[in-house]
Amino acid sequence: GAGVSQSPSNKVTEKGKDVELRCDPISGHTALYWYRQSLGQGLEFLIYFQGNSAPDKSGLPSDRFSAERTGGSVSTLTIQRTQQEDSAVYLCASSFLASGGARPDTQYFGPGTRLTVL
Amino acid sequence: LAKTTQPISMDSYEGQEVNITCSHNNIATNDYITWYQQFPSQGPRFIIQGYKTKVTNEVASLFIPADRKSSTLSLPRVSLSDTAVYYCLVGDRDRVPTFGRGTSLIVHP
Repeated sequence: GAGVSQSPSNKVTEKGKDVELRCDPISGHTALYWYRQSLGQGLEFLIYFQGNSAPDKSGLPSDRFSAERTGGSVSTLTIQRTQQEDSAVYLCASSFLASGGARPDTQYFGPGTRLTVL
Repeated sequence: LAKTTQPISMDSYEGQEVNITCSHNNIATNDYITWYQQFPSQGPRFIIQGYKTKVTNEVASLFIPADRKSSTLSLPRVSLSDTAVYYCLVGDRDRVPTFGRGTSLIVHP
């Protein structure tokens, strides 16, 4: 079946503008994650959704960042008043939360959106 | 949260076996060890996961000693296409996994 898709693949914006990044998870996956990866760095966790609720927003770097998920499927990450330090690749992942046990679920990642803030 | 330490980079040659070790001294009882691989311009992808002893799949082997304070990802006979960043994650399903900087493996001809 189809994997995780993200759009746009590339986004160039001017400082101060708002941007929306979209993630379409794998059908049936209940969990959805957003990460940010700056050049040469590891993945920085931003937010996690279980269904439409976000039990863990601890990684959002500032109140300029917000995310929502509707219908337990598509998610949108919004960055308001973008700054140059927001430039990075934004990765989305989804997983199917199986019931029971402590074994972490496999995350399936999309190709990412490369955001450049001029 | 269990903190992981792994080498920043490694070099190897085609056909060699590569072992990447990850230290996780404060691993918790319920924690599993998971490895992901990330190619340039792609998102990470799952390679292997284990709790103890040895796990093997078609891509790699994962060796976990009895004290579980470290683990070793073993890639047999690497090729140029194995050049990637490898991440070691430790945790259970109740916590979002933390990706560190990973180990950048470069395979030379």
